[in-house]
Formats: sequence, structure tokens, C-alpha cells
Amino acid sequence: AQSVTQLDSHVSVSEGTPVLLRCNYSSSYSPSLFWYVQHPNKGLQLLLKYTSAATLVKGINGFEAEFKKSETSFHLTKPSAHMSDAAEYFCVVSGGTALIFGKGTTLSVSS
Amino acid sequence: DGGITQSPKYLFRKEGQNVTLSCEQNLNHDAMYWYRQDPGQGLRLIYYSQIVNDFQKGDIAEGYSVSREKKESFPLTVTSAQKNPTAFYLCATTSVRGQGGNQPQHFGDGTRLSIL
Repeated sequence: AQSVTQLDSHVSVSEGTPVLLRCNYSSSYSPSLFWYVQHPNKGLQLLLKYTSAATLVKGINGFEAEFKKSETSFHLTKPSAHMSDAAEYFCVVSGGTALIFGKGTTLSVSS
Repeated sequence: DGGITQSPKYLFRKEGQNVTLSCEQNLNHDAMYWYRQDPGQGLRLIYYSQIVNDFQKGDIAEGYSVSREKKESFPLTVTSAQKNPTAFYLCATTSVRGQGGNQPQHFGDGTRLSIL
């Protein structure tokens, strides 16, 4: 069975410092993996996706993630946080006919 | 503009009442999904439909019902049997039938349901 674990429920950074949101997955086959972002009272927006091509995936707004099969990880990073990055982030793994969502990481950015 | 429209944005339910949440899409996508979001729990799948006049239960279907009479529309009814309906409800679509787990999903802006 497929599952995903987001290792931090809340991450706080200062504006201009790096962001690291951690995600581990479990899958019985080569998975598709996604990161989504959600701003308050809004739907989810796709940041990036991994579908077995390059292991380093670049997304929108300067985010990227690296697929590491040996560590079963798909951590999301950004070199320099911006105030507008404050939101909730979801790591998602493919689950056949539907997606399986992590419980989310809330990113706070202080000035 | 292409997109997914959920209405209403806020909805209140009285005891013993059924309420229906609307989801309309003009993306021409085959598959549509309903998720429930509670704080700290991520998104949980309620129902999904890959084709008109067909739908399947997700992980938490009890107390909910759906219909798919048109490709563009996938309404969700929260019945009185759902004893804890207060949550944020999200509708999503994906373009490829049968590949909803491997393709990105597009989301509406959600409906927040509360109990009166």
C-alpha cells in the first residue's frame, strides 16, 4: 500500500533563508510524487511533480524537490524564502486511481 | 477561463438536514473527486467518478452521496447520517480516466461547511 509521511507539522523560517520541508513515502511500485501548496481558504495548487524522469524536479516559484529512492524521500526546498511562501504544503503519492495526501506542513515566514 | 467552480463558498447545515455542494468544471476532464479536509489531517477521499453515470466510494464515503449525470458536474450531498460534517470540502479533476493517481489534479477553491 502507498503512504506518505510529512515529518514536520510546522516549519518557521526567516525571509531570505532556505526552506526545507521533509517528506518520506512508501510505495510498492515506482511512484508518482507531487507537492501542492494551499493558501488559507483556497484550493490546492500544484508546485511540482516527479514521474520517474529526472530525480531533481524544478517547480514553480523557485521550489524544487529531489527524489531519493534509497531514502524513500522527496523533500521540498527553496534557496530563499519569501513572505508570500507562507502557506500549507502537502506531499502526495500516487495511489492507483486516486492520490494519497500527507497531513501537511505549515510554513511560517517572518520578516 | 477554464477552471473548477465550487459553490457556495460557505454553507451552514441544521440538525437533520441534507445539504448539497456544487462542483462544476469546464476543463473537459473525465475524472472528478471530492475530498474532505480537517485541520492537521490532510485530504481524505470521499467519492470519485471517472465517467458519467459511474462513481466509486473513497475512504470516508459514509454519510455522503454523489451523482454524475453530466461530465461537467459532480455534486456532493452531505446527508443527516454524517454526524460530524463540519469541514472544508474540495473538488478536484484530472484529465485522464483511470490515471487519477498518476496525474496532477486540479482543485476548486472549496466549500466550508459548518453546523448551526
